[in-house]
Amino acid sequence: ELKVEQNPLFLSMQEGKNYTIYCNYSTTSDRLYWYRQDPGKSLESLFVLLSNGAVKQEGRLMASLDTKARLSTLHITAAVHDLSATYFCAVEGWNNNDMRFGAGTRLTVKP
Amino acid sequence: EAGVTQSPTHLIKTRGQQATLRCSPISGHTSVYWYQQALGLGLQFLLWYDEGEERNRGNFPPRFSGRQFPNYSSELNVNALELEDSALYLCASSLGLQVTDTQYFGPGTRLTVL
Repeated sequence: ELKVEQNPLFLSMQEGKNYTIYCNYSTTSDRLYWYRQDPGKSLESLFVLLSNGAVKQEGRLMASLDTKARLSTLHITAAVHDLSATYFCAVEGWNNNDMRFGAGTRLTVKP
Repeated sequence: EAGVTQSPTHLIKTRGQQATLRCSPISGHTSVYWYQQALGLGLQFLLWYDEGEERNRGNFPPRFSGRQFPNYSSELNVNALELEDSALYLCASSLGLQVTDTQYFGPGTRLTVL
């Protein structure tokens, strides 16, 4: 069964600091997604990672994928308050019959 | 350009009833996805439709069903509602079958089952 674990689940950081959110998954997959959700709002797609070693960057966020380690990271550089949100990773199973989300990481960036 | 729209915003039903949720994708998008976000269970993938056909289905019982119409809008039907079906149901659309296509999410329908 495909399982997706995110950590940390809660993250409080100061503006200007760097931090990394981790997403581990249990079975072979070649598709991993990162989403952002603001309180009371819908989801926003951030990144789609399709291959081992894939790295994508958008502003202060950078996502990477290591399919051998079954690990994706979302790195936050020089955090700003606007990045406060919940971040989810999601993994699509190899047979395309399952897609599982992590529990989400609630990020709070403090001034 | 209008984004993904969902209706109704809120829906209150009683146990055993049926609920119908609707989604209109962004113009030009042929794929529609449905997700459930329930307290304690997190986000779960429900269904994926493209070009009128069901392409993928999450681990949900058959009482969760849907369809996609020729204009690419979609309905999610939940029969024999149970209390644990209370959740935010999110719809997303994308251009098509390319896995790199970004999904754009609607505002969601909050379903409450009493």
